[in-house]
This record gives sequence, C-alpha cells and structure tokens, in this order.
Amino acid sequence: DAGITQSPRYKITETGRQVTLMCHQTWSHSYMFWYRQDLGHGLRLIYYSAAADITDKGEVPDGYVVSRSKTENFPLTLESATRSQTSVYFCASSTWTGGHNEQFFGPGTRLTVL
Amino acid sequence: DAKTTQPNSMESNEEEPVHLPCNHSTISGTDYIHWYRQLPSQGPEYVIHGLTSNVNNRMASLAIAEDRKSSTLILHRATLRDAAVYYCIRRGGSSNTGKLIFGQGTTLQVKP
Repeated sequence: DAGITQSPRYKITETGRQVTLMCHQTWSHSYMFWYRQDLGHGLRLIYYSAAADITDKGEVPDGYVVSRSKTENFPLTLESATRSQTSVYFCASSTWTGGHNEQFFGPGTRLTVL
Repeated sequence: DAKTTQPNSMESNEEEPVHLPCNHSTISGTDYIHWYRQLPSQGPEYVIHGLTSNVNNRMASLAIAEDRKSSTLILHRATLRDAAVYYCIRRGGSSNTGKLIFGQGTTLQVKP
C-alpha cells in the first residue's frame, strides 16, 4: 500500500520488556520522525532522521533507540519499557525540510505498558 | 522556542464559518506558520501554511496579520467532519531538521 504505515496498531507489554514499533513509508521521503502523544496532550518529538544512517534526538529521547538502515523504514525501540511510556506513537515523513513542506503522519500505534 | 498560543476550545454551528486564532508574538522573519489538524483517533494532517501573505486552499484559508504576530485559520463552512484539534505551529524557514513543535491546540466542536 502506498503511504505511511505503522505496526502494530495496538500493543500491550509489561514493564522491562523490549518493544519495537515499525514505521514504513513508500514515498522515498528523506526525513522521518517519531512523536508520542499522551492522553489529552499535543505531540512531542522523540527522534528524527534526515536520511538513512542519520538520526538525531528530539525533545524526549530518553528510553528510546532508533535506527534507519533503509530510507523507507524507521523503527523505534523501547529498550526496557516503563509505564510512563504508555502513549500513542506517531511516525511521520517529509521531503525537504524547508519551512513550507508538509509532514505526512501514520495512523499511530497505541502502546500500553503494564 | 517555537511557542504559539491558541484558545483551548471553540464551538461552531454546522455550515457556518469558523475563525481559529493563533498568537505568535515572537515570530521571526523567516518562520512559516503551519496549521495541522487531528481528527479523533487519527494522526495529524496538514491543513495549510503561510509566510506573509494570506493563503487559500481547498481545505481552508489562512489570514496572517500584517505584523505577523498573529494569524487566523478560517474554515468557510464548518461540517461535522471538521471537529478536530487544530494546531498552529511556527516552523523555521531555515530549519534543517523539519521538526514540528506541537502545542495544546484548539479543540473545535461543530454542532449540527
């Protein structure tokens, strides 16, 4: 399917477990982003990537790891999940990051850490 | 700091125009103003953006104050489907990261 997809859409895990959230885009966009959205709040940037093998921290990177070996994929890993990481996670992609280009968001992954 | 200020919530009647305000008093000359909206249980979607001049597209219009310290998103005829959280975002024109800094947004309720 064309566009940006996330998997799984829903995930329940336990404290201390490792969890990987997947993000895949078919547009060959160079930039990709991970945001989290806590209940009743706006989105906060976790990590972003300008191209394959180039990643950088956002506002709230602690407890997360990212990689980008291929342009189309940008997985997010919670190395040891904590309850505070219960959230909805959104992946996004965009082309050149001039001030006027838009980001395209995936449908989100709802993660619950027990 | 890319802070903007928006009202927490607004109400509108169906088929009436809606004006969603945003203050960005510390905006710099190269910052673009972007609007995204988030429908219930969905990811955000792009609505419109502008720099200095007013902008129109199929979804909405963006009116930017002459001093650029504020802007207004205009939905010309609100529908029930327009009920969403609307985010006003400043984005540096010279930014090389593409980051969007989301605030709390305005929750728009549309009444039939």
